[in-house]
Amino acid sequence: AQTVTQSQPEMSVQEAETVTLSCTYDTSENNYYLFWYKQPPSRQMILVIRQEAYKQQNATENRFSVNFQKAAKSFSLKISDSQLGDTAMYFCAFMKPGGGADGLTFGKGTHLIIQP
Amino acid sequence: NAGVMQNPRHLVRRRGQEARLRCSPMKGHSHVYWYRQLPEEGLKFMVYLQKENIIDESGMPKERFSAEFPKEGPSILRIQQVVRGDSAAYFCASSPSAGANVLTFGAGSRLTVL
Repeated sequence: AQTVTQSQPEMSVQEAETVTLSCTYDTSENNYYLFWYKQPPSRQMILVIRQEAYKQQNATENRFSVNFQKAAKSFSLKISDSQLGDTAMYFCAFMKPGGGADGLTFGKGTHLIIQP
Repeated sequence: NAGVMQNPRHLVRRRGQEARLRCSPMKGHSHVYWYRQLPEEGLKFMVYLQKENIIDESGMPKERFSAEFPKEGPSILRIQQVVRGDSAAYFCASSPSAGANVLTFGAGSRLTVL
């Protein structure tokens, strides 16, 4: 079974700063997918970024980028030029190829607070 | 495209009552997943369904919980004889196929058991 660990329950940074959220995972699979989801106070789960394990290039979506270290089983999320609207819970998630019967395995989340 | 629709958004039940949560997947999606989120926790897998079939229910309690995804209509998560520990947010996600590698989530249904 896969496990996903997020070791930072809460982080707080000033607006416009850069912040990095950490995530490690454990799996015996060689190919898989990793995700970061954002959950704002509305509770909607919003996909932020997605990484395919067989791709060495780190995924990037505008201000969001990842540092994927496959050997270390690490998948951190960097948010540049942070904005007040980035305040949310952030969940790291793992998925086996083809979705798998159990879909996504989530970490416990990091509560990110962007201070004005 | 209305996305994944869940209703009700909020449901209050007294202990012993039944709760029914509904999920309409995105148009064209025939695979549905249900997750439960307890306070201060991440989402935990409950059940995975395709139209008229339960594929994996390994994350769902054996008693009081059931799920279905009929040929017509939404997927339904049913909790009988609710207890206070069932209070949580229940999320539905859908995908177009078993091989799809991304899930689209609904906004969740928050169940409160008094």
